[in-house]
Amino acid sequence: EVQLVESGGGLVQPGRSLTLSCTASGLTFSSYWMQWVRQVPGQGLVWVSLIRGDGTSSIYADSVKGRFTISRDNAKSTLYLQMDSLTAADTAVYYCVAGAGWQPDHWGQGTLVTVSS
Amino acid sequence: EIVLTQSPGTLSLSPGERATLSCRASQSVAKNYLGWYQQKPGQPPRLLIHDASVRATGVPDRFSGSGSGTDFTLTINNVEPDDFAMYHCQQYAHSPLTFGQGTRLDI
Repeated sequence: EVQLVESGGGLVQPGRSLTLSCTASGLTFSSYWMQWVRQVPGQGLVWVSLIRGDGTSSIYADSVKGRFTISRDNAKSTLYLQMDSLTAADTAVYYCVAGAGWQPDHWGQGTLVTVSS
Repeated sequence: EIVLTQSPGTLSLSPGERATLSCRASQSVAKNYLGWYQQKPGQPPRLLIHDASVRATGVPDRFSGSGSGTDFTLTINNVEPDDFAMYHCQQYAHSPLTFGQGTRLDI
């Protein structure tokens, strides 16, 4: 069974940084594209970023480009999202997602990030 | 950016009825790379359909997807109480990946 467990969420002040982690099990991690998708509670889903299985290619939504960095450590089966210059608009539940391609097959339970002073 | 518009916003049905959910894209979705997800309160989304019409593993055959190009449909036959949830569509053919705003299936 595929399991994706996010961690690192919490309360952070505007302008500060936060790094999310996602530990995967039950899959050959390096073979999967990994993504981050966020959702403001009660609202729709918003794609944030994705990274190729070998880590050599990544893309970002315009709203986070230049502020967020996606990365992965295949030896640790772990995905990361470094988030800098956070604003209130980044407040959301962040989901870690795995897929054989760009298709989101498996979702974690999510971690809540709240940006507030 | 491909904009996905889901309709209706809310669909009110009774158990046993058929649900028809629409997802319309602002431009053609290549290779019909369109997925449908079910989300219940407090839970992450669950993949139901990928590539417009392929049921994910373990998804009951009451759920079916159809369509191509810009018009896609999720049909749920014989709606069961457990099916009342939010449904999202997403295209994963073009960057940025985009989601529709969701359709809520209510009793």
